[in-house]
This record gives sequence, C-alpha cells and structure tokens, in this order.
Amino acid sequence: SYELTQAPSESVSPGQTARITCSGDALPKQFAYWYQHKPGQAPVLVIYKDRERPSGIPERFSGSSSGTTVTLSISGVQAEDEADYYCQSADSSGDYVVFGGGTKLTVL
Amino acid sequence: EVQLVQSGAEERKPGESLKISCKGPPYSFTSSWIGWVRQRPGRGLEWMGVIYPGDSDTRYSPSFQGQVTISADKSISTAYLQWSSLKTSDTAIYYCARSISVGGVAWYFDLWGRGTLVNVSS
Repeated sequence: SYELTQAPSESVSPGQTARITCSGDALPKQFAYWYQHKPGQAPVLVIYKDRERPSGIPERFSGSSSGTTVTLSISGVQAEDEADYYCQSADSSGDYVVFGGGTKLTVL
Repeated sequence: EVQLVQSGAEERKPGESLKISCKGPPYSFTSSWIGWVRQRPGRGLEWMGVIYPGDSDTRYSPSFQGQVTISADKSISTAYLQWSSLKTSDTAIYYCARSISVGGVAWYFDLWGRGTLVNVSS
C-alpha cells in the first residue's frame, strides 16, 4: 500500500524556521496537504494543494513541492506552533487518501 | 461559525455494536463529502472513508472496508460511523471532517469535528 514518510520529530528554537518534509512516490502527481494537530483539539488544515494557505492561517506557514518531497515551512516559529503536523495526499490513481505518520514539532 | 458536531464519548465491550454521529450544517451537507479519520492512542491519523450524503456514494479505505459502515441521513444533516462487533483495537478517537474532492478524485479535509472517543474494553 502507498505510504507517505515523515520524520517522527523535529525541534526548533523560537523565531527560527522549522521545515517538515514528507516523501511519497505519487507526490509529483497528487497534491499534498498539511494539518496541525494539538492534543485534545481537532486537526486544522494549514496548507492545501501543496502551497495554498487557507484563510485565517498565519503567513508564517508555507508549503513547497519538489519531485517526490513536499515541505511545510514555519518561519518565525512561536511556542503556539508546537504540535503534531501531518501531511496528506492520495495514491497515484486518486482513489485513496493517505496520511503521513506525523511529525512532532517541539519548540525549544 | 460552521461546525461539525460529533456525538459524545462511548464505552463498549468487545463484540458489542456502536454507531457514532456527525452533524453538519443543513445548507451544505448534501453538497459536501464527509470523511472519517481514526487516531488510535499514541498513533497517527488514518483515513477510513468518505460519504457524499447527497446520493450516499461511499468510498472506503482498503484497511477499513468490511470493518465499519459509513452512512448518512441527509434529512437531518448527519453522517454515521458504525461497527457491528467492536474489538479492543477499535479503541480510538474518531474524527469526522468535511472532505473536499479535488478534480473528482481524492479528498482533503477543511473542517473537522472535535472527535468522538470510543473505548472498547472488557
């Protein structure tokens, strides 16, 4: 079955830029999406269609894509950005949704 | 504010049945897909499937096909996730989410419910 690969954890100091990557063979063909998930809360869509930002999401969140890897960047990281971040896409045919394993972002 | 309102936490024993719900806004419910996502304790998000309440078109993840039933009642703007015989491994938080189809294939999730905790224990 198709998989998206994320590093389990990343850490960053406040004010620095966090970069969270996600790899998958079908990413050149399918859009990627990113969700922020804090404990006890509903996940929040922070990036859609590789690089688009939903209304209400701070400009410090951005997305990019290169080949089989997509990247979520958070510039000027704040303590409130500490959360789990999941990438999501679809298999090459678009029939099935797939989530990455998630990256726990720790703000030092 | 647009919301998806999920039913409350449930406690069940193995082998029991269960149906949890997700109520959406009436004005858009029949023109949106609604998906279900599982999060087991200490684990990541897993896509279970989606339903289009307008015509009850339903798609399942291969991992959940035959394990659960997704349904909807458009007259009351509510989607459901159902088990006929729960297992302890079904213990998880279950989220419903408004699902946007891109180009007629795949989906992403732009609005989420707060989740329903299901605890299955003997």
